[in-house]
Amino acid sequence: GQQLNQSPQSMFIQEGEDVSMNCTSSSIFNTWLWYKQDPGEGPVLLIALYKAGELTSNGRLTAQFGITRKDSFLNISASIPSDVGIYFCAGHLRYGGATNKLIFGTGTLLAVQP
Amino acid sequence: DGGITQSPKYLFRKEGQNVTLSCEQNLNHDAMYWYRQDPGQGLRLIYYSQIVNDFQKGDIAEGYSVSREKKESFPLTVTSAQKNPTAFYLCASSIAPFRQVNQPQHFGDGTRLSIL
Repeated sequence: GQQLNQSPQSMFIQEGEDVSMNCTSSSIFNTWLWYKQDPGEGPVLLIALYKAGELTSNGRLTAQFGITRKDSFLNISASIPSDVGIYFCAGHLRYGGATNKLIFGTGTLLAVQP
Repeated sequence: DGGITQSPKYLFRKEGQNVTLSCEQNLNHDAMYWYRQDPGQGLRLIYYSQIVNDFQKGDIAEGYSVSREKKESFPLTVTSAQKNPTAFYLCASSIAPFRQVNQPQHFGDGTRLSIL
């Protein structure tokens, strides 16, 4: 199945630093979603984006739906130790049909050193 | 609280055995999904169901089976035909597209299946 190109694969940062990660695709998407997964747990939805150009914040997290509808980024400001986890992007293809199937990125592993 | 419950958290299977993973949701969602997650990889869709008594194969359905007899429940059976079943299995649910398109999926906490 199709997967999104997500980068970077991993990041190792100091507490207090800002973080940026992104997803790109050759296909047009109708939505972009960002999830966080803690070890041994299921992904939790952080931010959902529905319109090209949309910029949405959730606390220290900010995500944008790219103008071309083929990319999205997630920023985390002033990182803290509990930000550790794997971050996944996901989206609904523009011509995905009436199935609500999501395409997922391969994930970005974030490690934060206190 | 509303949510998705997967059980058990850990499951061990002997060679040649079928095992069934449970997924229950009380979010009143019509659509439910099963994913497989392997280390260092994204989520791969096994099966999905948009309504009771109907389900569709995902990208990696071989060696798996499902049923959808109730709206709240979507059990996954890992059969002996699945040659590499060791993985983390995630169940999700969402509002179905026939009600509202492009809705986010919400996940349970997963079941880790290992082969003895």
